[in-house]
Amino acid sequence: GQNIDQPTEMTATEGAIVQINCTYQTSGFNGLFWYQQHAGEAPTFLSYNVLDGLEEKGRFSSFLSRSKGYSYLLLKELQMKDSASYLCAVRPPGGSYIPTFGRGTSLIVHP
Amino acid sequence: DTEVTQTPKHLVMGMTNKKSLKCEQHMGHRAMYWYKQKAKKPPELMFVYSYEKLSINESVPSRFSPECPNSSLLNLHLHALQPEDSALYLCASSQDPPAGQGMNEQYFGPGTRLTVT
Repeated sequence: GQNIDQPTEMTATEGAIVQINCTYQTSGFNGLFWYQQHAGEAPTFLSYNVLDGLEEKGRFSSFLSRSKGYSYLLLKELQMKDSASYLCAVRPPGGSYIPTFGRGTSLIVHP
Repeated sequence: DTEVTQTPKHLVMGMTNKKSLKCEQHMGHRAMYWYKQKAKKPPELMFVYSYEKLSINESVPSRFSPECPNSSLLNLHLHALQPEDSALYLCASSQDPPAGQGMNEQYFGPGTRLTVT
């Protein structure tokens, strides 16, 4: 099975940098996704990591360490519109191959 | 067109009603999914269709009945629901059926907010 852990809530200031962590304990690993979900809306894909290291995409970056079972999503130059829930999802190496979602981290950006 | 559409946006139904949720994508995706999401919880997988055939049913009660009429459409038929079934129902699609190769990220629709009274 998959056990995925994320902080429930974080707050940050507009213009700052925030790091949202995700740890996982799984019987295997075949990729990790980050999704953004605004309240009452659908999750939207942000990033995908399958190898160790940092993937940068504009203001958002995602990091993975497979040996530590650890990922983080880094958001730079925070904007008010970044207030949302950020979901980490881990894909198993076999079986259904369908990612399992963590409970999500609710990020509140204030002026 | 990189959009997944869902109708209706909101639905209120009684426990004896029969209703259907609809989902549509025109990206040529070969897999479609139904998820249920309660407030402040992650999406929970319900069903997966691969090449229009049901490939995964996550032990969902029979009062939820999925249907895939063609490669672009996915329905969820609802009958005799319970108040605890009230949730946001999300449809998603991906280019390929679930597999270990490649990114194959999921595209989600805006969801149907269902309230069972």
